[in-house]
Amino acid sequence: QKEVEQDPGPLSVPEGAIVSLNCTYSNSAFQYFMWYRQYSRKGPELLMYTYSSGNKEDGRFTAQVDKSSKYISLFIRDSQPSDSATYLCAMSRTGFQKLVFGTGTRLLVSP
Amino acid sequence: GAVVSQHPSWVICKSGTSVKIECRSLDFQATTMFWYRQFPKQSLMLMATSNEGSKATYEQGVEKDKFLINHASLTLSTLTVTSAHPEDSSFYICSAAGGRSSTDTQYFGPGTRLTVL
Repeated sequence: QKEVEQDPGPLSVPEGAIVSLNCTYSNSAFQYFMWYRQYSRKGPELLMYTYSSGNKEDGRFTAQVDKSSKYISLFIRDSQPSDSATYLCAMSRTGFQKLVFGTGTRLLVSP
Repeated sequence: GAVVSQHPSWVICKSGTSVKIECRSLDFQATTMFWYRQFPKQSLMLMATSNEGSKATYEQGVEKDKFLINHASLTLSTLTVTSAHPEDSSFYICSAAGGRSSTDTQYFGPGTRLTVL
């Protein structure tokens, strides 16, 4: 079993839809949870990170962590075609070092 | 924002040859750099962590004699794949952080696609 599971997609939605991206994990020692966005031929870009359980909001993006279920989510409101990218979840025990990534979910937002 | 570049962006080589990949932080000093590898349909896997002026720390299962990492300056790290074989074909991506703390954000390069024939 992989430490971090993420549906590779693709996930296709119309512009304006609310998008839900999810990851599950098996290691209960993970404390830091990140979401990265990766455009084609570019490196991953940090969107948000959360420490321990709870919610965090930044503009159209909301990250949720449920440690009891070992489940994290990223919600994108009012999705735009420019949001089309691969979204990677990552997590670690100790901050930004020793990151364990999911495989990434490819999101396609159509105009 | 912090920019990390990689060179080359793609490389094709013959089996048995060595390939060097460069990772540069363009607008900040990278005390710590990380090298990852990603096989098709799989996740990014950390290969090694290097601090400027120190030997790299390799993850379990990564051969340090095959994947030579040099971090001789605060803006440049290199990964050399020695005696490359087809199974080394992968996407190699580096990241850089401005400090050694676990809370220092990593900034990723665009990656290098290596194909070994």
